Amino acid sequence: DAGVIQSPRHEVTEMGQEVTLRCKPISGHDYLFWYRQTMMRGLELLIYFNNNVPIDDSGMPEDRFSAKMPNASFSTLKIQPSEPRDSAVYFCASSFRASDTDTQYFGPGTRLTVL
Amino acid sequence: SQQGEEDPQALSIQEGENATMNCSYKTSINNLQWYRQNSGRGLVHLILIRSNEREKHSGRLRVTLDTSKKSSSLLITASRAADTASYFCATRGSSNTGKLIFGQGTTLQVKP
Repeated sequence: DAGVIQSPRHEVTEMGQEVTLRCKPISGHDYLFWYRQTMMRGLELLIYFNNNVPIDDSGMPEDRFSAKMPNASFSTLKIQPSEPRDSAVYFCASSFRASDTDTQYFGPGTRLTVL
Repeated sequence: SQQGEEDPQALSIQEGENATMNCSYKTSINNLQWYRQNSGRGLVHLILIRSNEREKHSGRLRVTLDTSKKSSSLLITASRAADTASYFCATRGSSNTGKLIFGQGTTLQVKP
C-alpha cells in the first residue's frame, strides 16, 4: 500500500492567490483528517470526514478555508485568498474506523509558504 | 484547546541512555496514543494504551497510563541516534468520535 498521498509537497504562493492541497487516503479507510502544524500552535485538527461527509469543521480557521471530499479516494483543502499567516505544514491523515483501537496514518505533508 | 501537554518540551541525551517523556490531559479518555515525527515527515503511530490498561510494552518502548492523574509517560530504553524526533501524545475522548487531540510534543535529540 502506498500510504496516504499528498500533493504538492511544497507550495510557494503570493498573498491573495488561491491554494489547493490534495490528499488521497489509504484505500478502505473511512475517515480522513486535515491538520495544520506550525511552531506557534502545534498540530491543529482543521476538519475531518467520515464516509466522505464532513463531521467536524470546528477547527477551520475562517471562511477562506474550505474542504471537500467528492469520493472515498480524494480530498481537497482550499485556501482562497491565501495570507502569510496561512504558512504552515498541512497534513492529511486517514483511519479505518473510529473504534477504540484505530490509529491514524499520516501523509508526508504539504509545506505551504505564502509570501 | 489542546488536550494533551507534553513535558519536557525538549530533551537531549546521549546514545544508550533512556528517555522519558510525559503527557498530561484534561478529560476522560478511551485511549491514549503516542506518535513520532521525524524532521520533515508526517506522524507515525508508535503505541496505543487503553484507559483500562496501566502499562504497555513494544520493543524498546514502555508506556504507562495513570487515569487518576490524567497522565501518561513514554520511556525509550537504550536510545539510538535514529530515535531523534518529536514525540506526541494523542487522546481520543470517551465520546468515541473520530477525533484525536494531539499535544504540543517533546523534541528528543539523541547524540551519538
